[in-house]
Amino acid sequence: KAGVTQTPRYLIKTRGQQVTLSCSPISGHRSVSWYQQTPGQGLQFLFEYFSETQRNKGNFPGRFSGRQFSNSRSEMNVSTLELGDSALYLCASSSGQRNTGELFFGEGSRLTVL
Amino acid sequence: KNEVEQSPQNLTAQEGEFITINCSYSVGISALHWLQQHPGGGIVSLFMLSSGKKKHGRLIATINIQEKHSSLHITASHPRDSAVYICAVRTYNTDKLIFGTGTRLQVFP
Repeated sequence: KAGVTQTPRYLIKTRGQQVTLSCSPISGHRSVSWYQQTPGQGLQFLFEYFSETQRNKGNFPGRFSGRQFSNSRSEMNVSTLELGDSALYLCASSSGQRNTGELFFGEGSRLTVL
Repeated sequence: KNEVEQSPQNLTAQEGEFITINCSYSVGISALHWLQQHPGGGIVSLFMLSSGKKKHGRLIATINIQEKHSSLHITASHPRDSAVYICAVRTYNTDKLIFGTGTRLQVFP
């Protein structure tokens, strides 16, 4: 059974650009959540989706958005990139309806903003 | 004060030693997760607890809901256990996941 797949694994952008990250959950998992990890702030919750609906959202500005498709794949978008957006972005999938089950993480997408 | 506190922040051990990592939280929770992160970033879920105790191989996790405290124990530690261990709680009120700052463990042969 394939794990959680995140693409791209690494990317470099410049300030002001926008970026889209993709997450394919484990087959059969309908819950997907996103997290940002930085050396200064550690791991922080971004969003959570179930069956194409955003169920929960962390304390991030509106530049951070996401969506989930009918096949459970999810994307997150960051517009007008800032230097502080440089981070490892992780997604996790779960079989629970409200992401209340065990979490399975992808390897992450490492974003560098110059 | 952080809602999830882990101790110690850094831990060094000799192979074979018994390891304990602690997690205290100040919010009402529906579940607590113990996660392992190796250099390079990938995170593996070790345990999800809402009460009592769970064991998997050399790893044991316990939680005391009344005292708002959880511990992760590693018996017979091995250099491959070297990683960052992260405690995360799912809050009862907001249903969001809040993370501790992690405990960096190094096990030397």
